[in-house]
Amino acid sequence: QVQLVESGGGVVQPGRSLRLSCEASGFNFDRYAMHWVRQAPGKGLEWVAVVSSDGSTTYYADSVKGRFTVSRDNPQKTLSLQMSGLRLEDTAVYYCAGPGPWGQGTLVTVSS
Amino acid sequence: EIVVTQSPGTLSLSPGERATLSCRVSQSVDGRHVAWYQQKPGQAPRLLIYNTSSRATGVPDRFSGSGSGTDFTLTISRLEPEDFAVYYCQQYGSSPPYSFGQGTNVDIK
Repeated sequence: QVQLVESGGGVVQPGRSLRLSCEASGFNFDRYAMHWVRQAPGKGLEWVAVVSSDGSTTYYADSVKGRFTVSRDNPQKTLSLQMSGLRLEDTAVYYCAGPGPWGQGTLVTVSS
Repeated sequence: EIVVTQSPGTLSLSPGERATLSCRVSQSVDGRHVAWYQQKPGQAPRLLIYNTSSRATGVPDRFSGSGSGTDFTLTISRLEPEDFAVYYCQQYGSSPPYSFGQGTNVDIK
């Protein structure tokens, strides 16, 4: 069955960087665009970024543009989100999303 | 950027009642590309409806979606105890960003 497992979250200081990963299984990873979606504590869902199935095209929310980079490794069935210049408002659970159920997410806390 | 507005913010109903949730988008959505998600506390969102009216795998038929253009609706025909949750609408039209609404909390009256 489809499974997405995020990792890489943690506590980081403002201005620092962090890299999130999402391991996919149970589907043809290289056939689907993949997304990152985040949810700040007690808040709603915010779409963050998408990468095309072949990795050639990416789009970002204005709130992260220029600071975050989404990429994928199709042979390894892995999605990544490189986050730099982190801000307090980037604190959230980050989910990767594709076909089927989402992962449980990974918590990123930006705090001094 | 397309803005998604859900109403009401909270819907207080009893089990067995019908729930009607509204989702309005600021521009017409290409291909009726609207999805609905259910989220319970401490859990990841679960896809219920995609392409306005197609139920995701395993979703009970008491959930239905409808709409076109800028107005979309999620209907739960008879609320079961497990349906009390927050519901999000998302548009994924021709180009990003693929914005979400702010959510509707369906709680027990």
